[in-house]
Amino acid sequence: GQQLNQSPQSMFIQEGEDVSMNCTSSSIFNTWLWYKQDPGEGPVLLIALYKAGELTSNGRLTAQFGITRKDSFLNISASIPSDVGIYFCAGLNFNKFYFGSGTKLNVKP
Amino acid sequence: DTGVSQDPRHKITKRGQNVTFRCDPISEHNRLYWYRQTLGQGPEFLTYFQNEAQLEKSRLLSDRFSAERPKGSFSTLEIQRTEQGDSAMYLCASSLGLAENTGELFFGEGSRLTVL
Repeated sequence: GQQLNQSPQSMFIQEGEDVSMNCTSSSIFNTWLWYKQDPGEGPVLLIALYKAGELTSNGRLTAQFGITRKDSFLNISASIPSDVGIYFCAGLNFNKFYFGSGTKLNVKP
Repeated sequence: DTGVSQDPRHKITKRGQNVTFRCDPISEHNRLYWYRQTLGQGPEFLTYFQNEAQLEKSRLLSDRFSAERPKGSFSTLEIQRTEQGDSAMYLCASSLGLAENTGELFFGEGSRLTVL
């Protein structure tokens, strides 16, 4: 299958700090999605990106669709304790969604 | 609640037993997906349906796994003769597939399977 590499694998930050994580692939995708997953729950969609170069915000979250269509990043500004969780990127190709292995975010109050 | 719903949320079974999971997608969504997720990993694609047609199956889906979506609405995923390696979270998701390569995928809460 098509592999998505997410980095970093995990992060420990202080409440109030900004966070950046990214996702790269050797394949081109036409849609990039970012999800957050809490323990024991399904992933929840945060942001969807449809055009190369597109920058989209959702509250304190900002994501960009890379120009090459092979990467995307997610920024979280002014982190709060409820941002704790695992963040997944996903790329869509030929009606299949491929997922990265996640970035685990820990926020210290 | 009009999101994707899955049942049961948790299932504990003995090796060799059969289990079945049900998924009810968002009502207007024509595409339905099954994923498997193990600890520390992202969701892995198993299969997907467009309406009632099963369009693709992953090589991860052995002969013991079967999925159906008989009327293009809810779907079931059955695992026969379960093995300990089948222990995982089984996630269902749906999408409104209006055009190729666009769309957003919405997940249910998952069905966690533990095989003893």
